[in-house]
Amino acid sequence: NAGVTQTPKFQVLKTGQSMTLQCAQDMNHEYMSWYRQDPGMGLRLIHYSVGAGITDQGEVPNGYNVSRSTTEDFPLRLLSAAPSQTSVYFCASRGGGSGANVLTFGAGSRLTVL
Amino acid sequence: DQQVKQNSPSLSVQEGRISILNCDYTNSMFDYFLWYKKYPAEGPTFLISISSIKDKNEDGRFTVFLNKSAKHLSLHIVPSQPGDSAVYFCAASIVSYQKVTFGIGTKLQVIP
Repeated sequence: NAGVTQTPKFQVLKTGQSMTLQCAQDMNHEYMSWYRQDPGMGLRLIHYSVGAGITDQGEVPNGYNVSRSTTEDFPLRLLSAAPSQTSVYFCASRGGGSGANVLTFGAGSRLTVL
Repeated sequence: DQQVKQNSPSLSVQEGRISILNCDYTNSMFDYFLWYKKYPAEGPTFLISISSIKDKNEDGRFTVFLNKSAKHLSLHIVPSQPGDSAVYFCAASIVSYQKVTFGIGTKLQVIP
């Protein structure tokens, strides 16, 4: 099982450029989410989705856009990158049953905005 | 407003001794708590969890204690091993909601 796969692992953007961070999971998890990790700030929730076609905002949604057209994929879009979006981004998913509260994370995508 | 607080940014422990990582929370509605471990250049991985109806959960060398009246939980690692050196995140959630709130992490270094 691949689990949660994020691409790219590294990306450098210029201010104002747009890009999409890709996230795919093969565990048939309904819930998917995006976090960013910054020094001294921990992991902060950007957006999440409880199923295909359903998305909602987390703590720090501004500047980011998401959609969920399939169960497997949950891309994160930066429409006009800003230096404040320099961070490490993690996608995470979770299923139901006994693992309903446990998130499985991807390896992360490190983004630098110049 | 930081609802989950890890006040110690780092901790150093000798191999074989006990590591105690602490976490405080402010939202009394949290009913499920988790610890995640993170190595550099990797994503966080689930370590251990506890429901608010319990005060202790043990898994091998790892034990989590929950004190609801103090809104405090702790992770005990006994004995500590060099491979335990990582950043540990405390997390809390309300099961009926869809959000998990993380602390800022504590970097544990186990010295051989």
